[in-house]
Amino acid sequence: GENVEQHPSTLSVQEGDSAVIKCTYSDSASNYFPWYKQELGKRPQLIIDIRSNVGEKKDQRIAVTLNKTAKHFSLHITETQPEDSAVYFCAASTSNSGYALNFGKGTSLLVTP
Amino acid sequence: NAGVMQNPRHLVRRRGQEARLRCSPMKGHSHVYWYRQLPEEGLKFMVYLQKENIIDESGMPKERFSAEFPKEGPSILRIQQVVRGDSAAYFCASSQGGDSPLHFGNGTRLTVT
Repeated sequence: GENVEQHPSTLSVQEGDSAVIKCTYSDSASNYFPWYKQELGKRPQLIIDIRSNVGEKKDQRIAVTLNKTAKHFSLHITETQPEDSAVYFCAASTSNSGYALNFGKGTSLLVTP
Repeated sequence: NAGVMQNPRHLVRRRGQEARLRCSPMKGHSHVYWYRQLPEEGLKFMVYLQKENIIDESGMPKERFSAEFPKEGPSILRIQQVVRGDSAAYFCASSQGGDSPLHFGNGTRLTVT
C-alpha cells in the first residue's frame, strides 16, 4: 500500500520567517495530495490540496509544490504567525483506493513571537 | 450546512465493554471514512464506506472492530470487548466521492480503563 513519509517531525521558526514541510510517497498512482492543519484537541482541517496535473498551487501565505517524478511534495508557509502553530499532516491518495487518504506522521510547527 | 457530526465527543469504557461511535456525514456526502489517531501520532486509515457498503476495510483490525453505514442513520464504528490499547481519538470524515476533499468531524476520544 501507499507509504507517506513526512519531515521534519518538529519545526520551530520565528514569526515572519518561512516554514517548509516535505513529504514523499511510494505509490506512483497517487494523484491527490491534501494538507491538513490540526490544532491541539481539534479536528484536522484542510488548508490546501494539489492534484497530479498541477505542479504548484498557492493560496495567500500557503503554497504547495508537487514533483511527480521524484514522488515528493512540499508545503510552504511564508510570513509565519503565532496562530500558524499546529500540527500539519500531508496525505496522498489514489482513485484506486476510493481516495482514502494515507497520512504522514505530522509536523509540529511552533512559531515564536 | 452542519459539518461532520460525531458523538459522543468523549467515551469511557471499562475493559471488556463495547464502544459504539457514531458519525453523521455532511449533507450531500455519501462517502464515509474512519481514522484512528494515537497520542502524538498521525491518522491511521481504518475503513471506507458508502451507503450500505464497505468499500475498503484494509485498516481495520481483524477482530473486535466492525463498521456500518446503513441506508438510514449515521455510520457506526463498533468496538467489542475493548482493551486499553483501543484508547485513542477516532475521527470520521466524509466526502462527495471522487477526489473531492475529505471533511473531518471533531472526533470521539475513547478511554478504556
